Amino acid sequence: LAKTTQPISMDSYEGQEVNITCSHNNIATNDYITWYQQFPSQGPRFIIQGYKTKVTNEVASLFIPADRKSSTLSLPRVSLSDTAVYYCLVGEGPNQGGKLIFGQGTELSVKP
Amino acid sequence: SAVISQKPSRDICQRGTSLTIQCQVDSQVTMMFWYRQQPGQSLTLIATANQGSEATYESGFVIDKFPISRPNLTFSTLTVSNMSPEDSSIYLCSVSPTERQLNTEAFFGQGTRLTVV
Repeated sequence: LAKTTQPISMDSYEGQEVNITCSHNNIATNDYITWYQQFPSQGPRFIIQGYKTKVTNEVASLFIPADRKSSTLSLPRVSLSDTAVYYCLVGEGPNQGGKLIFGQGTELSVKP
Repeated sequence: SAVISQKPSRDICQRGTSLTIQCQVDSQVTMMFWYRQQPGQSLTLIATANQGSEATYESGFVIDKFPISRPNLTFSTLTVSNMSPEDSSIYLCSVSPTERQLNTEAFFGQGTRLTVV
């Protein structure tokens, strides 16, 4: 499974757009890129998944360049409730067989 | 989606004892997994709970320490055996629904916070 690298932490203010970039230089042809969010004392929650170009849902956007060696999770107009740890995962197939390998994650702190 | 209920939500245990954690899902799921999350750390996959057969363990985890049962498609247990303070962690159950071609996400329980004293 491809190794991912993310910033350990990021700070932001309410109302700002937050972009978290993940590097995955060894991504394989069949690999999908998935992002999860984890609040304290809760299990991770799926945010978004993509294979290439751009994916958008009601929560976030995911930008994937042509070489797929990195991806950027974009959170529009964050609020205090977006304070959480965000994990970038890379694995084979749309749901990676459910077997998820988590990296260190990015701890996002949103301030008023 | 899948709703996962984990029991207990937390426990404080004496070293040398064992604790069994239960994971109940509200629908049949093909894949069930157990993860450990040590304080301030990311999640580490312990094993895949296979229905009707022995679990598949990841490197560094063994059946004697973490026996797992999966009697049907909606239920699994993880036992943490002969506990030591180093086993203090959050243990999480995760599932992937049966309809793999339609679902692109895994679902997690709230976790069991274990403290060994």
